[in-house]
Amino acid sequence: EVQLLESGGGLVQPGGSLRLSCAASGFSFRSYAVSWVRQAPGKGLEWVSATSSSGGDTYYADSVKGRFTISRDNSKNTLYLQMSSLGAEDTAVYYCAKVGDSGGYYFDHWGQGTLVTVSS
Amino acid sequence: EVVMTQSPGTLSVSPGERATLSCRASQSVSSNLVWYQQKPGQAPRLLIFGASTRATGIPARFSGSGSGTEFTLTISSLQSEDFAVYYCQQYNNWPLAFGGGTKVEIK
Repeated sequence: EVQLLESGGGLVQPGGSLRLSCAASGFSFRSYAVSWVRQAPGKGLEWVSATSSSGGDTYYADSVKGRFTISRDNSKNTLYLQMSSLGAEDTAVYYCAKVGDSGGYYFDHWGQGTLVTVSS
Repeated sequence: EVVMTQSPGTLSVSPGERATLSCRASQSVSSNLVWYQQKPGQAPRLLIFGASTRATGIPARFSGSGSGTEFTLTISSLQSEDFAVYYCQQYNNWPLAFGGGTKVEIK
C-alpha cells in the first residue's frame, strides 16, 4: 500500500524558515516523480513544486520560486521542502503527492498533509 | 501560464440526479487533464486522468470528457458519498495548475 507521511509543519514567524519532510513507502520511490501541493485554509489547491525521479529536474510555482527548495533522498525514500522567507500567504496544509503511472505530472496518491502556520 | 476555470462554483443536486461539472483551460492542454475529489479534512483523491480514464477503484458513475480547452466531469447518479469539492488540474504545461473547484452540495 502506498503511503506518504508528511512532517515538519508548525508555527513559524514571518520571515522564518521551515523544512518539511515526506516519508514514502509501499512503492519504488526512486522510480517516481513527486510533488508538493498546498491548500490555504478554506481555499483551493495550489501546486508548489515538483521533482523528477532522480531529483535532477525541479519545478516551482512563481509564488515560491527563490524561496523554496525541493529535494529528495532516494536512499531514505524521503522528499523534502525547504521553505524560507515565509509570509502569511504561505500558511496552508502542505501535501506531498506521487505522480501517476501513465506519464505526466498528475497525482495518484497523496499524504494527509502537514499544517504550516506563519504568524507572529 | 495556463489558467484553469471551473464552473459553477457550487452545484446543488439531489441524490440520484446527474451532476455536470465544467473546467476550462485558457489555452489547449490536449488531454492532459485530471479530476480530483476532496472531502472535508481529507486529501484529494484522483478520479480521472487523461481527461477520460477512470483511476483505479473509481465507480463507473464518474466519467470525464473533453480535450483542448473544454472538459466535463459527469456524475451520472449522485450518491451520498459524492457530495464533495471537485478540482481539475492540467499537466500539459509548467507550471501545473488547478481549477478553483466546484462544490457539489445536497439540494
